[in-house]
Parts: sequence; structure tokens; C-alpha cells
Amino acid sequence: ETGVTQSPTHLIKTRGQQVTLRCSSQSGHNTVSWYQQALGQGPQFIFQYYREEENGRGNFPPRFSGLQFPNYSSELNVNALELDDSALYLCASSWGGPPESTDTQYFGPGTRLTVL
Amino acid sequence: GNSVTQMEGPVTLSEEAFLTINCTYTATGYPSLFWYVQYPGEGLQLLLKATKADDKGSNKGFEATYRKETTSFHLEKGSVQVSDSAVYFCALGGNRLAFGKGNQVVVIP
Repeated sequence: ETGVTQSPTHLIKTRGQQVTLRCSSQSGHNTVSWYQQALGQGPQFIFQYYREEENGRGNFPPRFSGLQFPNYSSELNVNALELDDSALYLCASSWGGPPESTDTQYFGPGTRLTVL
Repeated sequence: GNSVTQMEGPVTLSEEAFLTINCTYTATGYPSLFWYVQYPGEGLQLLLKATKADDKGSNKGFEATYRKETTSFHLEKGSVQVSDSAVYFCALGGNRLAFGKGNQVVVIP
């Protein structure tokens, strides 16, 4: 039990729609990272937030955006959904901050997004 | 950039057998190395980590040693159980983790 929770567990959307996924970090963790895990693949880094500011982004288009709130919750928003966005979306929280914290990231159970 | 390569294909073995999963990496600097485990339908759980060369991470009978000279972080367990059946991911990084593709391990009674 990591103390990181995500909602919803599963979600089905159609192409072109928008979706918001939510994460509640472990209390006291200032950093939240989001990852996309396609079926049969390892997770891919989307972006990270540290104290409500974006702190690094992976190779994902701008239609993937995020927010982090002072109460240790955060959101991942995806606009104009495409079929390839179907994946498990994981958030992970950790203590540390930029530039290259080695603090362990603790993962939530994920949200399974299906785009039809 | 940072990248991780895991051996290809699933691993099937009998209970009490010895398990090895190979992991090699390419990195700038000296990142931390991790093994995460994912049970069916669940998120990732940290299994063990090592933060510098020659460190050995260990947990639940699993071990891995951070080898700078061979850029490797192979996972080993001396005697697996059915409950060890899962997908295992090697990862490296600091604030952004780079993962391998994962290896499914199936332990047969």
C-alpha cells in the first residue's frame, strides 16, 4: 500500500473527446509524475510536477496537460483523444524535487483508459 | 539519453527454481536503478533499488547489484514461488524514470 490513489479505475471514451484523470499523492510528497503504459510495454514518462509547476516533460504532445494542487492532488488532462491513447495511466509521487532527485517514486494503481 | 534493455520474452519456470532477469542500461551520469513488479490488474510496486555503483538492493529474497563496469542490474532470486508470478520492470533515473519493456514471469507449481 503506497498511499497513492487514482480515479477512476476504468474509463471508456470515444475519439475526439477530452478526459481528466485524478491522482492523490502520498501526504508530504511534493512531486508527482505521470506515465503512460501501453499494453505489453513499460511505462513512458509523460511529465512531472513539483510544487505545482511543470518540471520536465517526455515526448508527448501538448494535448496532454496537467495540474498539481496544494492538497497533494493532481490531474492529467488529455484533449482530442486518439485510439492510441488507450493505455494504463499511472501517477507516482515522491518527496524530492528538481533537477534530478533520486527519491523513490511510489505508484498508484492506475487508470485504464479505453478510446473507441 | 537514458534507456534500459531487458531480455526478450516471458520467463517460465518451476517452483523453487533459480530466477535471473537481465537488465542493461545506457545512462549519462550515475542514475539510481530500480526493479518494479506489477501483479495482474495492479500498478507498479517498488521491489528494490540501488543508488550507486556496487550497491546491492535486496527485498523478499530478490537481489540485484549495480554494476557500472558492465552497465547491468540483473535481478536474481534463489528459489521462486508461485506468488512471484508477475511482470518485472527494470528502470533507471532520477526525477523521470526510464523503464524497460518488462518480463512476464510465470512460476508453475
